[in-house]
Amino acid sequence: QKEVEQDPGPLSVPEGAIVSLNCTYSNSAFQYFMWYRQYSRKGPELLMYTYSSGNKEDGRFTAQVDKSSKYISLFIRDSQPSDSATYLCAMNDWKAAGNKLTFGGGTRVLVKP
Amino acid sequence: DAMVIQNPRYQVTQFGKPVTLSCSQTLNHNVMYWYQQKSSQAPKLLFHYYDKDFNNEADTPDNFQSRRPNTSFCFLDIRSPGLGDAAMYLCATSRARDQETQYFGPGTRLLVL
Repeated sequence: QKEVEQDPGPLSVPEGAIVSLNCTYSNSAFQYFMWYRQYSRKGPELLMYTYSSGNKEDGRFTAQVDKSSKYISLFIRDSQPSDSATYLCAMNDWKAAGNKLTFGGGTRVLVKP
Repeated sequence: DAMVIQNPRYQVTQFGKPVTLSCSQTLNHNVMYWYQQKSSQAPKLLFHYYDKDFNNEADTPDNFQSRRPNTSFCFLDIRSPGLGDAAMYLCATSRARDQETQYFGPGTRLLVL
């Protein structure tokens, strides 16, 4: 079993819809949770960064962490065609592993005009 | 305004012919990372430098080496590329080793013929 599981998609939504992405993980020691966006043939770009459980909002993006369920989510409101990309969740346990990130496999999202 | 720069963006090499990939950063970050990302997979950490301190991942093949001559530059050397080494190679940086987000370059796509 992988440490971080993420549905590969593709997830296809119409423009303006809410995109809902999630990851589950098995290591209860993870404390820092990140979402990266990766366009085709480009490097990952950091979108959101949260510590421990709770919600964080940044513009159209909302990240949620539920440590009791080992489950994190990313919501994209009012989705645009430019949001079409692969979204990677990442997390780390800095006490045990410093800044080493454990990534999910990524979910490919397609927003149709 | 590029902060993490990778050259070349595309590299074609022959089976067994040594190849070097380059990464530079303008952020003055202490930590530099090299990841391998195969198609539709999560990035896999190969090694990282904390300043001049080299840290190899346990499962990184000996075929992969790295050099960091100064703070700004880091190189990935593949001594004898095999067909299985064809991938996107991502360089990332972070200011420190703990509790710091990582910033990725655009990647170098390696093709082995």
